[in-house]
Amino acid sequence: DGGITQSPKYLFRKEGQNVTLSCEQNLNHDAMYWYRQDPGQGLRLIYYSQIVNDFQKGDIAEGYSVSREKKESFPLTVTSAQKNPTAFYLCASSLGQGSQETQYFGPGTRLLVL
Amino acid sequence: AQSVTQLDSQVPVFEEAPVELRCNYSSSVSVYLFWYVQYPNQGLQLLLKYLSGSTLVESINGFEAEFNKSQTSFHLRKPSVHISDTAEYFCAVSDSSSNYQLIWGAGTKLIIKP
Repeated sequence: DGGITQSPKYLFRKEGQNVTLSCEQNLNHDAMYWYRQDPGQGLRLIYYSQIVNDFQKGDIAEGYSVSREKKESFPLTVTSAQKNPTAFYLCASSLGQGSQETQYFGPGTRLLVL
Repeated sequence: AQSVTQLDSQVPVFEEAPVELRCNYSSSVSVYLFWYVQYPNQGLQLLLKYLSGSTLVESINGFEAEFNKSQTSFHLRKPSVHISDTAEYFCAVSDSSSNYQLIWGAGTKLIIKP
């Protein structure tokens, strides 16, 4: 089955710790995205990538970093600089980065701070 | 700046009753409009989208939405809801002013009462 996988499902972060969220897709999509979801606020774009070895900041990139070394993988690191990391993180992909493209979402990772 | 407003954070309805979830957007250029659905503790999936042509678009599970340019709206309707429709529904818009990134509404939780 083609799709997007995210791991882990739940992640706990200690004070001052960096954590990495995994996102893998086998849809052969060029574009990948990371969103943060908070209650009552909809989705906010953290980073996106249109092609391997290239990525751009979204609306709330501060305190986060990404890499795109392989087409199928787009990991997100939540750094210690992100002071309010508790949220539901969603990874998505689309065939291209055109405005008409449907985005396909993974099941999400819930990050909690200890 | 472009924005998407979902006027109702929650909409409770009885099973088999009709429902309308409202979505308004602000944009002065041509837009592409989307409705995504998120079932509890899952990622989002596309419900339907308007790109061009007929202003009425339908999904395979009985939902429909109508693009109204003069009222800048894209309301989602279903004539008879089922308990399985319990989910959160997100409206999203993209156009050239957002660099074709999706701008998301805050979401509307559809609560089906038996």
